[in-house]
Amino acid sequence: NAGVTQTPKFRVLKTGQSMTLLCAQDMNHEYMYWYRQDPGMGLRLIHYSVGEGTTAKGEVPDGYNVSRLKKQNFLLGLESAAPSQTSVYFCASSYSWDQAYNEQFFGPGTRLTVL
Amino acid sequence: AQSVAQPEDQVNVAEGNPLTVKCTYSVSGNPYLFWYVQYPNRGLQFLLKYITGDNLVKGSYGFEAEFNKSQTSFHLKKPSALVSDSALYFCAVRDTGNNRLAFGKGNQVVVIP
Repeated sequence: NAGVTQTPKFRVLKTGQSMTLLCAQDMNHEYMYWYRQDPGMGLRLIHYSVGEGTTAKGEVPDGYNVSRLKKQNFLLGLESAAPSQTSVYFCASSYSWDQAYNEQFFGPGTRLTVL
Repeated sequence: AQSVAQPEDQVNVAEGNPLTVKCTYSVSGNPYLFWYVQYPNRGLQFLLKYITGDNLVKGSYGFEAEFNKSQTSFHLKKPSALVSDSALYFCAVRDTGNNRLAFGKGNQVVVIP
C-alpha cells in the first residue's frame, strides 16, 4: 500500500515553460487536493476534486489547471510557469465528504523552481 | 471563512521538558480540528483530531491536544519532548459548512539535547 505518491520529486523550469505534476493514491479515496507550501504561509489550497471527473477551485487557483480523469489520479498543470510559482507542491487525499472529519493523507511533495 | 493562528514561529524546548505548541481558530460553525507534523523533506503526517466529545484528545507519538471552546484554542502538548520531535507542526481547522481545511503557518519545534 503506497498511499499517496507524487511525480516528479524535483523540477526546474524556465519562465514560460509548461509541466504537469502527477498525484496517485491507492486508498480508493473520493477527495483529492493540491496545495502549495511557501515559507511562513502554511499550506494553501490550489484546486481540489470531490470525485472522478470533477474539479473545483481552492484559495489560489490562478495559473494552474487540474484534471481527475481517473479516481486514483489527480494532475496539476502549469501552462506557462512564472517565478511566483516556485514552491513545494503537496497532493493529499481523503475519504468522502459525508464523513467530513476524516483526515487528509499527504504525498511526499514536489519541489518546483521556476527561473 | 475559517482560519487558524499559530502565534509562535519557533518553539525551543530542552529534551525531557514539556512541549506546547499553540493554536487558535476561527470558524462560523462547529470546528473539526487537526494537528499535522512535517519532518524535513517529507509530506505532512496526521497526529490527532478533535471532532466532538472529550476535550482532551490523544494522538500518535505521545502527543495530545486540548480543545477549549471558550478560548477557541486547540494547543498541542507532549509531557516529555524527544530530540526526534524536532519538526514543523501545523494546526488546521475545517468548518462543518464546507470541505476545505485551513492551515496555520506552522511552528518549528526544536528540541535541544
